[in-house]
Amino acid sequence: DAGVTQSPTHLIKTRGQQVTLRCSPKSGHDTVSWYQQALGQGPQFIFQYYEEEERQRGNFPDRFSGHQFPNYSSELNVNALLLGDSALYLCASSPGAGYTFGSGTRLTVV
Amino acid sequence: AQSVTQPDIHITVSEGASLELRCNYSYGATPYLFWYVQSPGQGLQLLLKYFSGDTLVQGIKGFEAEFKRSQSSFNLRKPSVHWSDAAEYFCAVGNFGNEKLTFGTGTRLTIIP
Repeated sequence: DAGVTQSPTHLIKTRGQQVTLRCSPKSGHDTVSWYQQALGQGPQFIFQYYEEEERQRGNFPDRFSGHQFPNYSSELNVNALLLGDSALYLCASSPGAGYTFGSGTRLTVV
Repeated sequence: AQSVTQPDIHITVSEGASLELRCNYSYGATPYLFWYVQSPGQGLQLLLKYFSGDTLVQGIKGFEAEFKRSQSSFNLRKPSVHWSDAAEYFCAVGNFGNEKLTFGTGTRLTIIP
């Protein structure tokens, strides 16, 4: 049984560009959450999707947007990239007793 | 607002010694508490969780944690560490239905021979 899969694993973008990250949840999970983990920090909640709608949102600007598809997979889009957006982006799926996390996408903005 | 404090940024322990990682939380309702482990460049792996019931929780890899409501703590323990336990450990708090997790800043564990 595959867990949470994320793609790509690594990505380098130029400041001002746009990026799309992808996530396939664990089989049977219908809720997807995205977290940003800056170097040396704990993960910070970006938003959560359920039934193709954004259910909750953390303190992130509108440059961060997402989407959930009927098969429960999800995308995270970041527009107008800033150097400070460089981080590990983690996708997590639920429900369950605690999330199941993917291995993340390492985004570097130069 | 919910918050988690992990007061120890970095802990060094000898292999075979016991370990305790501290976690304090602030939460208005009954919390759900979690401990995750992260190896370098990897995602998060769930070690254990507390929802209700017995306040001593057993997890994977020989870890356990004790929920103490009076101290707002959920400390992680292991009686004898192995070199493979070297990693970053994160405590998190959430609640059922909300499912948003708030993480601490983590404790980096180094194991010395």
